[in-house]
Amino acid sequence: DIQMTQSPSSLSASVGDRVTITCRTSRGIANFLAWFQQIPGKVPKLLISAASTLQSGVPSRFSGSGSGTDFTLTISSLQPEDVATYYCQKYNSAPQTFGQGTKVEIK
Amino acid sequence: EVQLVESGGAVVQPGGSLRLSCVASGFTFEDYTMHWVRQAPGKGLQWVSLISWNGRTTYYADSVKGRFTISRDDSKNSLYLQMNSLRTEDTALYYCAKETAQLVLEYWGQGTLVTVSS
Repeated sequence: DIQMTQSPSSLSASVGDRVTITCRTSRGIANFLAWFQQIPGKVPKLLISAASTLQSGVPSRFSGSGSGTDFTLTISSLQPEDVATYYCQKYNSAPQTFGQGTKVEIK
Repeated sequence: EVQLVESGGAVVQPGGSLRLSCVASGFTFEDYTMHWVRQAPGKGLQWVSLISWNGRTTYYADSVKGRFTISRDDSKNSLYLQMNSLRTEDTALYYCAKETAQLVLEYWGQGTLVTVSS
């Protein structure tokens, strides 16, 4: 099975900072990668599909990039409402593994 | 509006069985692949299983293979997860999720809590 490595596991940044989260797969998955946001106590929310396609209604400060084995989620200007745990997920084939998650906090 | 409502979660002893259900509405259920994803308390998301739109193809995470069975009843717009030989490590909030035409999990239910404890 393809292994997922998401980093960092947590980060603390100031409001307005640029935040980058990375996800690496052990084998290439083309662009079959999604990013989810889970606010504490809430259901996971799909932010980005196909590595870089922003879902409708998601603020434009979120962006995704990458292909193959290396992917990035960027928040261009961190806002208080972005406090959450972020997960990547591969969906090219089963098992559709999630990354370990990155907890984002405000400094 | 897409709605997914899970039920069936309970406290069960190790070695026991449980059947989770997910009732779907707001879309043509029979056209879509459906998934189960779980989240242990304070932990990350773990993909569990999927069943194709026609029910012919199923996949499982290695951790549940041979113990869990996913199924669907399109006449009832329902997805199921039969869980046997439950272990303490199966304790989690179990979500059902709908796959879009682009293969991603866009819609999730609120989850149902399974606690395996003696």
